[in-house]
Amino acid sequence: GAVVSQHPSRVICKSGTSVKIECRSLDFQATTMFWYRQFPKQSLMLMATSNEGSKATYEQGVEKDKFLINHASLTLSTLTVTSAHPEDSSFYICSARRSEVSNQPQHFGDGTRLSIL
Amino acid sequence: KQEVTQIPAALSVPEGENLVLNCSFTDSAIYNLQWFRQDPGKGLTSLLLIQSSQREQTSGRLNASLDKSSGRSTLYIAASQPGDSATYLCAVIYNFNKFYFGSGTKLNVKP
Repeated sequence: GAVVSQHPSRVICKSGTSVKIECRSLDFQATTMFWYRQFPKQSLMLMATSNEGSKATYEQGVEKDKFLINHASLTLSTLTVTSAHPEDSSFYICSARRSEVSNQPQHFGDGTRLSIL
Repeated sequence: KQEVTQIPAALSVPEGENLVLNCSFTDSAIYNLQWFRQDPGKGLTSLLLIQSSQREQTSGRLNASLDKSSGRSTLYIAASQPGDSATYLCAVIYNFNKFYFGSGTKLNVKP
């Protein structure tokens, strides 16, 4: 089955640090990947849609200069939280869909727990 | 604005009981609907995907139904087990694969 790998699984760092999170589709190509954020006891909220070879599309209220997304290949998208602050502490999850197959479910990574001190 | 609501927010049942989780959505022009389970501190595990043209999907002890016209979906779990304890999320999918998640139902199955 399809597998999406997310790394790292947990990050603890000081305020002001930039943190990069990777999302890889291990056994399929993904033209489009998605980044979500989940605050404690809340559901997942879509942050942005990552498109291979082009700029990401951000949801309303998500700062594109704060959350840099790079989708350089068909199997890798990265999310960089720049100059992270305690309010950025959250659970970040990516998902990917097979490029060549329409109407297929998205596959989710295991998430990254980000804690900013 | 698309809204997805899940009821109940939490549910505790004894092992062996059959149960139903509910999901409702405001915009019926959906593409697909997907049910996930999320274990504490973990990512999502896909359970069932229902396409907009379908009425239900079944996988083992799980059955999900979809009524687009009324904006509702249910997830039926038969003969619940302690291993079923998790948060169950309903996600409604519109154009361009945009997922809108409900806030989840936290299920606890007691041995």
